[in-house]
Amino acid sequence: GQNIDQPTEMTATEGAIVQINCTYQTSGFNGLFWYQQHAGEAPTFLSYNVLDGLEEKGRFSSFLSRSKGYSYLLLKELQMKDSASYLCAVLDSNYQLIWGAGTKLIIKP
Amino acid sequence: EAEVAQSPRYKITEKSQAVAFWCDPISGHATLYWYRQILGQGPELLVQFQDESVVDDSQLPKDRFSAERLKGVDSTLKIQPAELGDSAMYLCASTHRGSENYNEQFFGPGTRLTVL
Repeated sequence: GQNIDQPTEMTATEGAIVQINCTYQTSGFNGLFWYQQHAGEAPTFLSYNVLDGLEEKGRFSSFLSRSKGYSYLLLKELQMKDSASYLCAVLDSNYQLIWGAGTKLIIKP
Repeated sequence: EAEVAQSPRYKITEKSQAVAFWCDPISGHATLYWYRQILGQGPELLVQFQDESVVDDSQLPKDRFSAERLKGVDSTLKIQPAELGDSAMYLCASTHRGSENYNEQFFGPGTRLTVL
């Protein structure tokens, strides 16, 4: 079966750095996405990785290791508005998105 | 900036009633997705359209759910009869292209369904 694992909840302090991990086992791989979802709202795109390595975009970075079936999202200089759920999703061999359950990130002052 | 439109934003209904949701994707986006998201879980694909054709509806409970995209533009998702377990957020998303050369999915604001 296909499976994506990420922590259910994480807590971090405003101004700090947090890393959200995602491991996956899917039938094929055509890329990994990170989405941000605020409570009651739709997911919004953060990043896409298809090759190994680190992609940096402002305060957010995403890393991929295909051999390990592993990715992480790194958030720097945390702000209160970063409190949200972060969803990891993998595009499988049929180009279908397989979604993780999301990690709820709580930012404390 | 172009957006995916959905209506209604909120719907409260009683079990056994019929409900319908509407989605208008970004202009020019050929691929349209309907997802169901239960609180605390990731989105679950219900149906995928490429233009007016269904590409994948393997997870759609066809005894009560139906979806159409007659002219390959906007789409309607219907539930009849609604059950208590259908309470969820129903998300519509669209992409510029289909199964190859994947682009990011753009989501609408969703319809929050509560079945009493």
